[in-house]
Amino acid sequence: EDKVVQSPLSLVVHEGDTVTLNCSYEVTNFRSLLWYKQEKKAPTFLFMLTSSGIEKKSGRLSSILDKKELFSILNITATQTGDSAVYLCAPDSWGKLQFGAGTQVVVTP
Amino acid sequence: DTEVTQTPKHLVMGMTNKKSLKCEQHMGHRAMYWYKQKAKKPPELMFVYSYEKLSINESVPSRFSPECPNSSLLNLHLHALQPEDSALYLCASSQVFSQPQHFGDGTRLSIL
Repeated sequence: EDKVVQSPLSLVVHEGDTVTLNCSYEVTNFRSLLWYKQEKKAPTFLFMLTSSGIEKKSGRLSSILDKKELFSILNITATQTGDSAVYLCAPDSWGKLQFGAGTQVVVTP
Repeated sequence: DTEVTQTPKHLVMGMTNKKSLKCEQHMGHRAMYWYKQKAKKPPELMFVYSYEKLSINESVPSRFSPECPNSSLLNLHLHALQPEDSALYLCASSQVFSQPQHFGDGTRLSIL
């Protein structure tokens, strides 16, 4: 049975801290792994990872995939209050996204 | 605002009503998706359309009926829903399968 596990489920940090979010997965027909940020409404796309060991960066966010150990991490450096959200990872199997439960990040001033 | 537009934003309906949710995108994407999201849970895939043909149905009850009239539009027809169907219904699109999916803001559905 397919499985996607995110950890931690929630965390509270101070502005300026660095956070590391984890996603482990076991899915059939794996193609890629996607990260999304969800505040009140639509999940917004952050990264799509297809190759192991190649870090993707966007501003203060970065992510990497390990296809051998079946996990991915999302890092956020110098956190800001606007980073407060639920972060979702989702392995893709030919168009079928299977979301993890998400990590709720709260950044306090 | 997202590039995937969903209407209505909110819908309240009785269990005997028939209503439809609409989703529109003008990005030239050829894959479109319906998801259901309950409070404090992640989105769950319901249906996938690729090139206007239904590709994936995740064993969704027949009271939900999807329709893709053209490459820009996706509908979800609702009939005889149950209170447990109350949720946020999200539409997404991607260029083709296995490309990043872009989500609309959703329709918040309440069944009385």
